[in-house]
Amino acid sequence: DGGITQSPKYLFRKEGQNVTLSCEQNLNHDAMYWYRQDPGQGLRLIYYSQIVNDFQKGDIAEGYSVSREKKESFPLTVTSAQKNPTAFYLCASRPPGGGYVEAFFGQGTRLTVV
Amino acid sequence: RKEVEQDPGPFNVPEGATVAFNCTYSNSASQSFFWYRQDCRKEPKLLMSVYSSGNEDGRFTAQLNRASQYISLLIRDSKLSDSATYLCVVNEGTGRRALTFGSGTRLQVQP
Repeated sequence: DGGITQSPKYLFRKEGQNVTLSCEQNLNHDAMYWYRQDPGQGLRLIYYSQIVNDFQKGDIAEGYSVSREKKESFPLTVTSAQKNPTAFYLCASRPPGGGYVEAFFGQGTRLTVV
Repeated sequence: RKEVEQDPGPFNVPEGATVAFNCTYSNSASQSFFWYRQDCRKEPKLLMSVYSSGNEDGRFTAQLNRASQYISLLIRDSKLSDSATYLCVVNEGTGRRALTFGSGTRLQVQP
């Protein structure tokens, strides 16, 4: 089955640690995205990538980093510079089609700082 | 001003009721519009795209008014299983092709 796989589902981080969230898709989509969701709020864009070896900052990129070495993979690193990382992280991808196609989401990673 | 604004609710309605959600967006260059459904602690899933002429999918009807920059979702004959948060989503029309999400409207259908 085609889809987007995020891992782990739950992640606990100690203060001062970097952690990496995995996102893999087998949908052959070029565009991939990382969003953050806080309780009772909508999704906010962290980083996005339209093509392999290229990515751009979204609205809340500070304290995060990404790479896009393969079309299928778009990992997100939450660095120690991110002051409030506890949140629900969602990875998404979109097929070609200009702005008229929907995004498909992974099941998310819930990150908690302990 | 938020780019996409929704009434957060919650909307508490009895089974069988008709309920309407509204959404406004600030960027007049926005190209496309969607409603997503999000269950508690789950990922958002596409409910329906919104077309200029309006569109219907079973009990769900979506409308778009570009002049007023306004989108609506109507749910008829509400079911218990409709209880969720409904996210209004706009494609900005900028080069980044990213979707901008409203904060969501929570619906609770009661027996």
